[in-house]
Amino acid sequence: QKEVEQDPGPLSVPEGAIVSLNCTYSNSAFQYFMWYRQYSRKGPELLMYTYSSGNKEDGRFTAQVDKSSKYISLFIRDSQPSDSATYLCAMMARASKIIFGSGTRLSIRP
Amino acid sequence: GAVVSQHPSRVICKSGTSVKIECRSLDFQATTMFWYRQFPKKSLMLMATSNEGSKATYEQGVEKDKFLINHASLTLSTLTVTSAHPEDSSFYICSARERENTEAFFGQGTRLTVV
Repeated sequence: QKEVEQDPGPLSVPEGAIVSLNCTYSNSAFQYFMWYRQYSRKGPELLMYTYSSGNKEDGRFTAQVDKSSKYISLFIRDSQPSDSATYLCAMMARASKIIFGSGTRLSIRP
Repeated sequence: GAVVSQHPSRVICKSGTSVKIECRSLDFQATTMFWYRQFPKKSLMLMATSNEGSKATYEQGVEKDKFLINHASLTLSTLTVTSAHPEDSSFYICSARERENTEAFFGQGTRLTVV
């Protein structure tokens, strides 16, 4: 079993829809959780960084962490065609390396 | 967010030559830098972790003599692909973080093509 599981998609939704992206993990030591957005042939861009459980909101993006279920989510409200990209979840335990999910390809249809 | 600059963005080289890729943290001091390789439509594969002033730690299966990493200062790390072969063609990405347990920021990536 991989430490971090992420559905590769592709996920296609109409413009304006709410998008839900998710990852599950097996290592209970993970405490730091990140979401990155990667456009084709570009480096990943950090969207959200959270510590431990709870919610964090930044504009149209909301990150949720449920450590009891070992489940993290990224919600995108009012999705735009420019949100079309691959979204990578990432997590790490204290003083350890970052473990990435395989990425979910998202396409927003105009 | 913090800015990490990677250069060059694209490079084509002949088989047998060496190529150097630079990764700079522009607005913070990066105690740790990471080097990744990414194949088309695949996730990031960690190659090595470098701490300023120390030898890099390579992941299993990564040839340290082929992928030379130098992290000489708190703002610069370099990856040199030595005696490049066509199978080394890939997208290489660096990332940097200021302190342990903080978020990492990525460079723009370098597309290497070996002909």
